[in-house]
Amino acid sequence: ETGVTQSPTHLIKTRGQQVTLRCSSQSGHNTVSWYQQALGQGPQFIFQYYREEENGRGNFPPRFSGLQFPNYSSELNVNALELDDSALYLCASSYPGLGFDEQFFGPGTRLTVL
Amino acid sequence: GENVGLHLPTLSVQEGDNSIINCAYSNSASDYFIWYKQESGKGPQFIIDIRSNMDKRQGQRVTVLLNKTVKHLSLQIAATQPGDSAVYFCAENMVGGDTGRRALTFGSGTRLQVQP
Repeated sequence: ETGVTQSPTHLIKTRGQQVTLRCSSQSGHNTVSWYQQALGQGPQFIFQYYREEENGRGNFPPRFSGLQFPNYSSELNVNALELDDSALYLCASSYPGLGFDEQFFGPGTRLTVL
Repeated sequence: GENVGLHLPTLSVQEGDNSIINCAYSNSASDYFIWYKQESGKGPQFIIDIRSNMDKRQGQRVTVLLNKTVKHLSLQIAATQPGDSAVYFCAENMVGGDTGRRALTFGSGTRLQVQP
């Protein structure tokens, strides 16, 4: 167990709806990264939050947004859901203090868009 | 549980044999590499890492080899056990963008099946 928790475990939404996923980082970690993992593929980087600011984004549209709170927990929000948004959403926490950034993953939230 | 890796290449080995999983990475500027194990219903779990100034690193039953010339990474698992059955991903990590953030770029994964 990594100490990173995510909620909910599973979620079913319909096209056009909005969704909020939550992540609590491992104690002492100030950086949270979000990844999307489609079935049969490796995780794809969405964005990263460091000290409550977005700190880089992958190739995802603006309808994917996030927040990080003072306790370093984080939310991923997706607006106007599309069928292709169905995936496992993973968050990973880290503490980039030594230049190399080992990331610890949570169990993920499985989102199904109908 | 989560059904990870429906269409991934599969490596089948007998319990007790050694396993070798290979990965080609994409960015010659990557300076840190990690192998993750992902079991059904779980997030990726760190196995072992290696920095670009090394070509070999050993852990408990696992060894990672890095060949920067051909951008190739391999994971060797000694005396493979049924509990090693999972999907294995390599990931490369580099400082990116204007913000200095480090993010992982994952390979496509390999399913390891251990036959008892």
